Amino acid sequence: QLHLQESGPGLVKPSETLSLTCTVSGGSISSRNYCWTWIRQPPGKGLEYIGSISDSGATYHNPTLKSRVTMSIDTSENQFSLKLTSVTAAETAVYHCARLTRYTMSSGGYMDVWGKGTTVTVSS
Amino acid sequence: SYDLTQPPSVSVSPGQSAIIACSGDKLGEKYTAWYQQKPGQSPVMVIYQDGRRPSGIPDRFSGSNSGNTASLTISGTQAMDEAAYYCQAWDTNTVLFGGGTKLTVL
Repeated sequence: QLHLQESGPGLVKPSETLSLTCTVSGGSISSRNYCWTWIRQPPGKGLEYIGSISDSGATYHNPTLKSRVTMSIDTSENQFSLKLTSVTAAETAVYHCARLTRYTMSSGGYMDVWGKGTTVTVSS
Repeated sequence: SYDLTQPPSVSVSPGQSAIIACSGDKLGEKYTAWYQQKPGQSPVMVIYQDGRRPSGIPDRFSGSNSGNTASLTISGTQAMDEAAYYCQAWDTNTVLFGGGTKLTVL
């Protein structure tokens, strides 16, 4: 059974860079059928898409965050990572990694496997 | 930008059917998925491709999508179905979420 686990600092200072890694176990990260995805949820609020990366390195972004987001993938380690620069207190949230399964190569997909999420607090 | 709109809350009596709507321009032309999230837990997908149920999801969960509205229907709602529900679609190379609907089973 596929398992995703987020890891990274739980506290980041304002204006600094948030860095998280998602480790995938129980299956390979290398598949054209999937994109590896980051989603966040501020306390008491809804889900917000951050972005996705395929095993070939193709990326998809939330347009509002695109300029500050860098995603990477390491197929040898079965991991993918997120960097979000210049964070503010409003970006305090639970950050989830998830597997997006494609409907087709061009029509998006759905998140069928989620990590438990990791809380990141932005505070000085 | 493309928006998905959900009602903030829906209430239902146990055993009755709950319908949660998600609206967006020509949403029926896109595939929609639905997620259930209970407090302190990660979301769980309950419907994908408009009306398909993943294995392990009870058959009281069903979905439809036509015109500008996708709907999640929970038939014979149980107390355990009380949760937040989010619709999700894809547009212009990005994932979109609705704002979420809190389902209360009274």
